Amino acid sequence: DSGVTQTPKHLITATGQRVTLRCSPRSGDLSVYWYQQSLDQGLQFLIQYYNGEERAKGNILERFSAQQFPDLHSELNLSSLELGDSALYFCASSALDSPTLTGELFFGEGSRLTVL
Amino acid sequence: ELKVEQNPLFLSMQEGKNYTIYCNYSTTSDRLYWYRQDPGKSLESLFVLLSNGAVKQEGRLMASLDTKARLSTLHITAAVHDLSATYFCAVLNYGGSQGNLIFGKGTKLSVKP
Repeated sequence: DSGVTQTPKHLITATGQRVTLRCSPRSGDLSVYWYQQSLDQGLQFLIQYYNGEERAKGNILERFSAQQFPDLHSELNLSSLELGDSALYFCASSALDSPTLTGELFFGEGSRLTVL
Repeated sequence: ELKVEQNPLFLSMQEGKNYTIYCNYSTTSDRLYWYRQDPGKSLESLFVLLSNGAVKQEGRLMASLDTKARLSTLHITAAVHDLSATYFCAVLNYGGSQGNLIFGKGTKLSVKP
């Protein structure tokens, strides 16, 4: 158990809908990262937050948004869903912002989104 | 832009055999990570390699890092079925918008009796 908690574990919805994925980082970690994993694209970095502020943005679609709250949990909002958004969405956390002693990320169990 | 390439992407091995997975990356970095993922599961950290020449071993797996060659290897010794999984390398990215860790596409390892 990495200590990173993600909910829901599974989600099935229809095209055009909106969903919210939730992540609680490890105790004490200030950085939260979101990754999308699909069969054809591999692990794609979406966005990073550090202590409530956006730190880095990857290939995140405009239909997607995220935020990190004062209690450090994070939410990833996916709207106007398309079939191609079906994927496993991972949250990861680390202690600090930029390269740390190890820079290691700890991953949650993921949220599997299926868009029908 | 930092790119990370793993090969092979698919590897079918017999139990008891040895093999090496390679991870090349395109720009300077001195930190590399290996993760394991079982089907439908999370990514589990295996090794953290923090400097040139770093070598780490855990059971039948040994990882090394050559920062000059921008190459890391994950060596499997006397494979067993329990090692069947997908293995990812990830390289620490010191700048830009790609995020801190850039992952390779993964090597899907299948160990057969």
